[in-house]
Amino acid sequence: QKEVEQDPGPLSVPEGAIVSLNCTYSNSAFQYFMWYRQYSRKGPELLMYTYSSGNKEDGRFTAQVDKSSKYISLFIRDSQPSDSATYLCAMSAGSGGGADGLTFGKGTHLIIQP
Amino acid sequence: DAGITQSPRHKVTETGTPVTLRCHQTENHRYMYWYRQDPGHGLRLIHYSYGVKDTDKGEVSDGYSVSRSKTEDFLLTLESATSSQTSVYFCAISDGRGSGEKLFFGSGTQLSVL
Repeated sequence: QKEVEQDPGPLSVPEGAIVSLNCTYSNSAFQYFMWYRQYSRKGPELLMYTYSSGNKEDGRFTAQVDKSSKYISLFIRDSQPSDSATYLCAMSAGSGGGADGLTFGKGTHLIIQP
Repeated sequence: DAGITQSPRHKVTETGTPVTLRCHQTENHRYMYWYRQDPGHGLRLIHYSYGVKDTDKGEVSDGYSVSRSKTEDFLLTLESATSSQTSVYFCAISDGRGSGEKLFFGSGTQLSVL
């Protein structure tokens, strides 16, 4: 069983729709949760960062963590064509750097149709 | 990608030749990482550095070596390139100071080994 599971998509939705992206994980030690957005031919960029359980909102984006279910979500409201990208979840057990750092999902390819 | 420069952006080489990729940062971050990204595998850690001359292996380190002689520069060397090393290589940095591994990525190097 992979440590982090993420549906690769592609996920195609019309402009203006609410998008839900999800990851499940198996390591109960994970306590830092991130979402990265990656445009084609670019490096991943940090989009959302959450510690432990709960919700975090930033503009049209909401990150949700349910540690009891080992499940994290990213919601995008009023989706725009510019949101078309690959979204990678990432998580970490510790707070420092090194090889024990981030475990990435493989990414979900999102397409917002104008 | 501010503060992180990868060079070259694209490289085509032949099997058996040595290749060096460079990552330069202006953020004075302690940690630097090299990842490769491949379809179906996502991001995989090759090597990382936690300070000048301090490096360690990641998940897929075979066939790769690294060096860090200055805080700002982290080099990745493919000692004898093979076709299986055709990939997109990303450099990342983090300050590793209790931030739960917030990584910031460069724009990537597309490497083709023929």
